[in-house]
Amino acid sequence: EDQVTQSPEALRLQEGESSSLNCSYTVSGLRGLFWYRQDPGKGPEFLFTLYSAGEEKEKERLKATLTKKESFLHITAPKPEDSATYLCAVQPRPGSARQLTFGSGTQLTVLP
Amino acid sequence: DAGVTQSPTHLIKTRGQQVTLRCSPKSGHDTVSWYQQALGQGPQFIFQYYEEEERQRGNFPDRFSGHQFPNYSSELNVNALLLGDSALYLCASSSDRGVRMNTEAFFGQGTRLTVV
Repeated sequence: EDQVTQSPEALRLQEGESSSLNCSYTVSGLRGLFWYRQDPGKGPEFLFTLYSAGEEKEKERLKATLTKKESFLHITAPKPEDSATYLCAVQPRPGSARQLTFGSGTQLTVLP
Repeated sequence: DAGVTQSPTHLIKTRGQQVTLRCSPKSGHDTVSWYQQALGQGPQFIFQYYEEEERQRGNFPDRFSGHQFPNYSSELNVNALLLGDSALYLCASSSDRGVRMNTEAFFGQGTRLTVV
């Protein structure tokens, strides 16, 4: 059974204080690992898909990396508007399940 | 591009009633998946529709059913509502064509269902 564990559950940072969020996963063959941002009461907003170990993607202050067992979302010099819940999800290889299996998320608060 | 749209945004129902939620996928997408998200949890997969058929189903009872129309839009139906069905219901659309098929899923804003 596919499993995704995110840590920490909650993180409070001062504006400008860089940090990383962790996503550990077990899956029967990885097709893609997804990162989403979710604001309260809204749907998840797509950030990145990573396909293979060693891959990195960047968007503004966010950078996602992938190994064979985990992914990190690095946040550089965060701003208060980066406050949100960040969700990680995995999708196994086609031919089997196609659904995304999500972690419970990391709730990030960036204080001014 | 309107993205993924869901209706209604909020809904209050009584235990035992039935509810229908609607989703229009992103332009160019042919696959629709439904997820249930309880407070403080990640989304849980309900089922996925492709070519008007349920292609895959998660661990949800038969009270949860769906439909996909020829224009790729979809409905989620829940019968005999329970208090525990209160959640944010999310629709995600993706494409099952091309090299990166089914590898980018975009979500709608969700429907907040409250069962009283």
